[in-house]
Amino acid sequence: NAGVTQTPKFRILKIGQSMTLQCTQDMNHNYMYWYRQDPGMGLKLIYYSVGAGITDKGEVPNGYNVSRSTTEDFPLRLELAAPSQTSVYFCASSYSRLLELFFGEGSRLTVL
Amino acid sequence: AQSVTQLDSQVPVFEEAPVELRCNYSSSVSVYLFWYVQYPNQGLQLLLKYLSGSTLVKGINGFEAEFNKSQTSFHLRKPSVHISDTAEYFCAVHSGNTGKLIFGQGTTLQVKP
Repeated sequence: NAGVTQTPKFRILKIGQSMTLQCTQDMNHNYMYWYRQDPGMGLKLIYYSVGAGITDKGEVPNGYNVSRSTTEDFPLRLELAAPSQTSVYFCASSYSRLLELFFGEGSRLTVL
Repeated sequence: AQSVTQLDSQVPVFEEAPVELRCNYSSSVSVYLFWYVQYPNQGLQLLLKYLSGSTLVKGINGFEAEFNKSQTSFHLRKPSVHISDTAEYFCAVHSGNTGKLIFGQGTTLQVKP
C-alpha cells in the first residue's frame, strides 16, 4: 500500500517556467489537499477537492491551478513560477473531512 | 472564517519534564480540532483529534489535549517527554461543512537531555 505519492521530490525552476507537481493516492479517498509549508508559517492550504470533478480554493490559491479528473490523482500546476513559490509542497488525502489526513513525503521546489 | 494560533514558536524542555503546547482557534461555527506531528524531513501524522463528546482527548505517544470552548483553546500536553518527541507540532481546525482544514504556524518542541 503506497499511500500518498508525490513527484518530484526536488525541483529547481527558473522564474517564469511552469511545472506540475503530481499527487496520487491509492486509498480511494474522496478528499485531497495541497499545502505549502514555509518556515515559521506552518502549512497553508492552496487548493482542496472533495471528490472527482470538484475543487475549491484554499488560503493561498494565487499562482496555482488544480484538477481532479479521477479519484486517485490531484495534480498541482504552477504557471509562471515566481521566487515566492519557493517552498515545500505537501499533498494529503482523507476518506472524509473529519478523518485523519495522510500526507505525502513532500516536494521541495526552488524558484531562481 | 476559521483560524488557528499557536502561541509559542519554540518550546525547549528537558527530558522527563512535562510540556504544554498552546493552541487557540477562532470560528463562528462548530469546530473539529486536530494535533499533528512532523518529524524531520517527513510528512505530518495525526496525534489526536476532537470531534465531540469528552473534552479530554488522548492520543498516541502519551499525548493528550483538552478542548475548552469558553477559552477557544485546544492545548496539547504530555506529562513526561522523551528525546524522541523532538519534532514540530501543528494544531489544525476544521469548521462548518467545508472541506478546509486550516493549520497553525507550528511549535517546535526541543527536548534536551
